[in-house]
Amino acid sequence: SAVISQKPSRDICQRGTSLTIQCQVDSQVTMMFWYRQQPGQSLTLIATANQGSEATYESGFVIDKFPISRPNLTFSTLTVSNMSPEDSSIYLCSSRTGTDTEAFFGQGTRLTVV
Amino acid sequence: AQSVSQHNHHVILSEAASLELGCNYSYGGTVNLFWYVQYPGQHLQLLLKYFSGDPLVKGIKGFEAEFIKSKFSFNLRKPSVQWSDTAEYFCAVTTGNTPLVFGKGTRLSVIA
Repeated sequence: SAVISQKPSRDICQRGTSLTIQCQVDSQVTMMFWYRQQPGQSLTLIATANQGSEATYESGFVIDKFPISRPNLTFSTLTVSNMSPEDSSIYLCSSRTGTDTEAFFGQGTRLTVV
Repeated sequence: AQSVSQHNHHVILSEAASLELGCNYSYGGTVNLFWYVQYPGQHLQLLLKYFSGDPLVKGIKGFEAEFIKSKFSFNLRKPSVQWSDTAEYFCAVTTGNTPLVFGKGTRLSVIA
């Protein structure tokens, strides 16, 4: 199994500012992903964080709004840029070690934009 | 692209009642299937998973799920629920190296 730590666990931010969320996995993992869970909703995939190359974004999410870095096999960051109240959500980091494995999740970052 | 449908948005049961939560997926190839649980204020935890083999999968806390390929279903069951099972339940699917795709979730409320 993998233990995922996310920082910060929560934050309240002013609109128009940016927040960078860090995700650290305690072991090298093949795949890392970022999800968003809006209040009372399910998890929506934002992007796959690719080690050493640009992230792969899902429909509706763009790099300018959600830049992602993944410098190595254990660490990734997600930035929420130029925030608006609609970005208020829980952001979750997830990892998988390969096929035929489950996904592990961090505890999430609860973001409130005011 | 695969998708997941969970038919029940909110289920309310009395303690000791039996539970079945529906999950259907849309993908014609080989899939890996999961049920996750999210207790209030906590992060997602894996309940059980299916990759291959016996289609009846047993998970933690007395939960089980049955994979029926012909129906594209992976329903979650528990013979007797407890108050502590109150949580949000998510069905998810992946096809090998792809990210997990989640259903909308089912909120389970267990009352005394």
